[in-house]
Amino acid sequence: KAGVTQTPRYLIKTRGQQVTLSCSPISGHRSVSWYQQTPGQGLQFLFEYFSETQRNKGNFPGRFSGRQFSNSRSEMNVSTLELGDSALYLCASSPGTGMNTEAFFGQGTRLTVV
Amino acid sequence: GIQVEQSPPDLILQEGANSTLRCNFSDSVNNLQWFHQNPWGQLINLFYIPSGTKQNGRLSATTVATERYSLLYISSSQTTDSGVYFCAGGSQGNLIFGKGTKLSVKP
Repeated sequence: KAGVTQTPRYLIKTRGQQVTLSCSPISGHRSVSWYQQTPGQGLQFLFEYFSETQRNKGNFPGRFSGRQFSNSRSEMNVSTLELGDSALYLCASSPGTGMNTEAFFGQGTRLTVV
Repeated sequence: GIQVEQSPPDLILQEGANSTLRCNFSDSVNNLQWFHQNPWGQLINLFYIPSGTKQNGRLSATTVATERYSLLYISSSQTTDSGVYFCAGGSQGNLIFGKGTKLSVKP
């Protein structure tokens, strides 16, 4: 069974640009969550999508947005990039329903804003 | 919101030693996981353990949900165990992470 796939793995962008990251969950999983990891703030929850709807949202500005498609693949978008957006972005996949809520993470996308 | 506190923040061991990592939660969580972050940044699942005890080789974990803490035991540590260990908990699809324990195992 294939794991969680994130693309691209590395990205360099300029301040003010926008970026789109992609995440393909484990087959059969309907929940996709996004996290940002920085040395200063650690791992922080961005948002979760389930069945194409945002189900939970963390405390991030509106420049951070996401969506989920009918095949459960998800994208997150960051507009008007700032230097502080440089981070490792991780996506997690989980079943989304039922008692087992175990999350599985992709390899991450390392974003550098210059 | 829920706060997650991990201790110790740093741990240095000689190969072969045993260790215990702790995770405290400020409120009840209905899921709890332990991860090991590899040098490339990926979070590797160690345990999904909302309550009870589980073992996997040299690793085991115990969660006492009523007292809001979890422990990760590493026995006979190896240099390959080095890295950062995270615990995380919360509701489905929304994990709150601790700051991690950085483990260094010396040969």
